[in-house]
Amino acid sequence: IAGITQAPTSQILAAGRRMTLRCTQDMRHNAMYWYRQDLGLGLRLIHYSNTAGTTGKGEVPDGYSVSRANTDDFPLTLASAVPSQTSVYFCASSPQGGSYNEQFFGPGTRLTVL
Amino acid sequence: GQNIDQPTEMTATEGAIVQINCTYQTSGFNGLFWYQQHAGEAPTFLSYNVLDGLEEKGRFSSFLSRSKGYSYLLLKELQMKDSASYLCALMDSNYQLIWGAGTKLIIKP
Repeated sequence: IAGITQAPTSQILAAGRRMTLRCTQDMRHNAMYWYRQDLGLGLRLIHYSNTAGTTGKGEVPDGYSVSRANTDDFPLTLASAVPSQTSVYFCASSPQGGSYNEQFFGPGTRLTVL
Repeated sequence: GQNIDQPTEMTATEGAIVQINCTYQTSGFNGLFWYQQHAGEAPTFLSYNVLDGLEEKGRFSSFLSRSKGYSYLLLKELQMKDSASYLCALMDSNYQLIWGAGTKLIIKP
């Protein structure tokens, strides 16, 4: 692995189903982030983690949860998917949270909720 | 609150120069980023400005005026591969990135 990987690449999901988007990085970055990107809107932060064991809420956290059990993995869970969660989801990481750092992005997961 | 504005779309000619503007309003500021995003791909870092002035990096330059809440990305000697969206993002007082909607740049031969 080099950088950040996300799985699945794309998914079609029935409303009401539970879904976990996976994100793994091998750069030993402390901080990780989940964004959603919708047409005509900027990237919006869902949740973030500045270090393993801690998480925080971003701009649009409702309907999503995260965990950060170790440095490398930062899964995003939709407990009960709704059509408004149809979006492209990007995971990102940076060496440190709470300071200037360039963020590195994974390839994204395209999620469609019907 | 924070607000970021950038043009939705711009068109330029191969070999030419294009300037993409970004204006912002924010109560806390820890720098301004530019990212490039090709269609269907992830954003990739281009530049970071925290002090006023011009930062040059090859064919790309980025400018910041904190007093005016204004930045621009200057792309010289445009190539077809520069066709992409360019995202402006400011880092707020909590060191979180607030993103503009992006400017789609179309390069014509």
